[in-house]
Amino acid sequence: TQLLEQSPQFLSIQEGENLTVYCNSSSVFSSLQWYRQEPGEGPVLLVTVVTGGEVKKLKRLTFQFGDARKDSSLHITAAQPGDTGLYLCAGATGTASKLTFGTGTRLQVTL
Amino acid sequence: DTAVSQTPKYLVTQMGNDKSIKCEQNLGHDTMYWYKQDSKKFLKIMFSYNNKELIINETVPNRFSPKSPDKAHLNLHINSLELGDSAVYFCASSQGPGATYGYTFGSGTRLTVV
Repeated sequence: TQLLEQSPQFLSIQEGENLTVYCNSSSVFSSLQWYRQEPGEGPVLLVTVVTGGEVKKLKRLTFQFGDARKDSSLHITAAQPGDTGLYLCAGATGTASKLTFGTGTRLQVTL
Repeated sequence: DTAVSQTPKYLVTQMGNDKSIKCEQNLGHDTMYWYKQDSKKFLKIMFSYNNKELIINETVPNRFSPKSPDKAHLNLHINSLELGDSAVYFCASSQGPGATYGYTFGSGTRLTVV
């Protein structure tokens, strides 16, 4: 069974701080995605990374796929209250439809 | 103009009852999914249909039965509800393989079994 462990589980920071969330596995994934989920809503796709070592930027968010395609990180620069939410990584093997989701990181950004 | 819509949003029911959750997507996607999110926010796949054909059926009690009348709809029927079925159930769809295109999720159905 593929398992994606995220760390930290919870993170409470002040506006303007930087943070990094990690997603680790012992399995190799063909692609990895990051989602953000707000209370009462479904997860929303942020990014997909497919190549080992790939880095993608989405405004203040930087996503990296590990060289061995077993891990990923999400870095947020100058966090804002609007970044508050549950961040989920999700991996796939091959061209599968099935995504295996990570354990989640709950981020709270306060003024 | 909601992309993936689920009904109902909340469902409170007694143990032993049978209930259904409906899902519709207007994105023209071929693949639809049901995921269960537990109290720790862990999302686990239950079923997936591609163009009305079942392609993923995880280890789920056979009290859960999905039905896809057409590629825009995927419903979930649950028989003999148990306390442990309480969770948030999410419907999702993808244009092609989820690995490539990612999912579009509905806003979830919170099921509470009392």
